Amino acid sequence: GAVVSQHPSWVICKSGTSVKIECRSLDFQATTMFWYRQFPKQSLMLMATSNEGSKATYEQGVEKDKFLINHASLTLSTLTVTSAHPEDSSFYICSARDYSSTEAFFGQGTRLTVV
Amino acid sequence: GDSVTQMEGPVTLSEEAFLTINCTYTATGYPSLFWYVQYPGEGLQLLLKATKADDKGSNKGFEATYRKETTSFHLEKGSVQVSDSAVYFCALTSFQGAQKLVFGQGTRLTINP
Repeated sequence: GAVVSQHPSWVICKSGTSVKIECRSLDFQATTMFWYRQFPKQSLMLMATSNEGSKATYEQGVEKDKFLINHASLTLSTLTVTSAHPEDSSFYICSARDYSSTEAFFGQGTRLTVV
Repeated sequence: GDSVTQMEGPVTLSEEAFLTINCTYTATGYPSLFWYVQYPGEGLQLLLKATKADDKGSNKGFEATYRKETTSFHLEKGSVQVSDSAVYFCALTSFQGAQKLVFGQGTRLTINP
């Protein structure tokens, strides 16, 4: 199956700093990418949907100025958590899909810890 | 809007037991249905899927049948193994807009030897 690589797999940062998470589709063109946040022992919460070359569409309640999403190419999307605070600590997961498929492929996730 | 409801966990079984994890959905139109599995500390992996009514998805001994009449997609396995311990998510794809995945709340499964 298609492969989505997410990097880093874990990161620890200081409060107030920014962290960038990358999501790459390795063997297909990801026309649409999704970013999720998962709290411990809970389901995935969709944060935003991005189409290549367009601005991301954020879900209600997600701060677009805090969670910056860039999808500048068909194989790469980035999520930048700006001015991170301890409450931003979470597991972030990306998924990617090409225009012809109903199936989305997931990255391995990034565990962010803000101290 | 579209939604997915899974049976509440956690579920604990002995090895070789029969497994059922219930999943029902609410959606407009005819969504595609999925089961994803998440092992500790990892992202989600697609376990199986079904794209139309009466389709049966199967993989690694797991099965689920798309039942339009009962709006269900229950996950079953005849004989579970310790390695099946994970969190299982039922999900659907809406055919509206960006075809977002809508997830159930997840069911944590623990298999004891």
